[in-house]
Amino acid sequence: DGGITQSPKYLFRKEGQNVTLSCEQNLNHDAMYWYRQDPGQGLRLIYYSQIVNDFQKGDIAEGYSVSREKKESFPLTVTSAQKNPTAFYLCASSGRGGATETQYFGPGTRLLVL
Amino acid sequence: GENVEQHPSTLSVQEGDSAVIKCTYSDSASNYFPWYKQELGKRPQLIIDIRSNVGEKKDQRIAVTLNKTAKHFSLHITETQPEDSAVYFCAASRRGFSDNYGQNFVFGPGTRLSVLP
Repeated sequence: DGGITQSPKYLFRKEGQNVTLSCEQNLNHDAMYWYRQDPGQGLRLIYYSQIVNDFQKGDIAEGYSVSREKKESFPLTVTSAQKNPTAFYLCASSGRGGATETQYFGPGTRLLVL
Repeated sequence: GENVEQHPSTLSVQEGDSAVIKCTYSDSASNYFPWYKQELGKRPQLIIDIRSNVGEKKDQRIAVTLNKTAKHFSLHITETQPEDSAVYFCAASRRGFSDNYGQNFVFGPGTRLSVLP
């Protein structure tokens, strides 16, 4: 999982502002995922992508958007429509996105609202 | 849809004792069950996984058991050490959100394990 990087480590958002979280992987993985983690809770799926130029909403997609223009990159935008964005955001990737494919996580981005 | 429950939410054990964390899932189609360990402020790291065609898997001090009939799986840590202190998450695979999309995971809420010296 050292091949997955996320930036920045900390991000501050002002009210009404859109912010973008970066996720890059050099593992040649097809599938990539975005999760949100709130204190004391598990991981909830925001969006995932199995292939370039395609992605699917997860359980909590409202207020978020993604793109998958390159295999290595899967940026997440937290829009102003997300009213409670403060959380720890984790990106993951796996080989083919199948049922038995292990997901490897990036180091995470902590988003705080000013 | 898939729902994963995890118990207990917190667990304290003395160093050298065993720890057991149990998860239950709802979708009988789930066929892959990974366990992740997350230290404070760090990324989740895979520690062990099990597929539905086996009932038990062991890796040194860590083992996972799966009961498909009862739809539960458990993590067993023996001879616990202070460095085992962390939050542990179980997960279960579920069908994709559309016919053309692959499966993904549903995570349990986590168990905070404290190993007391």
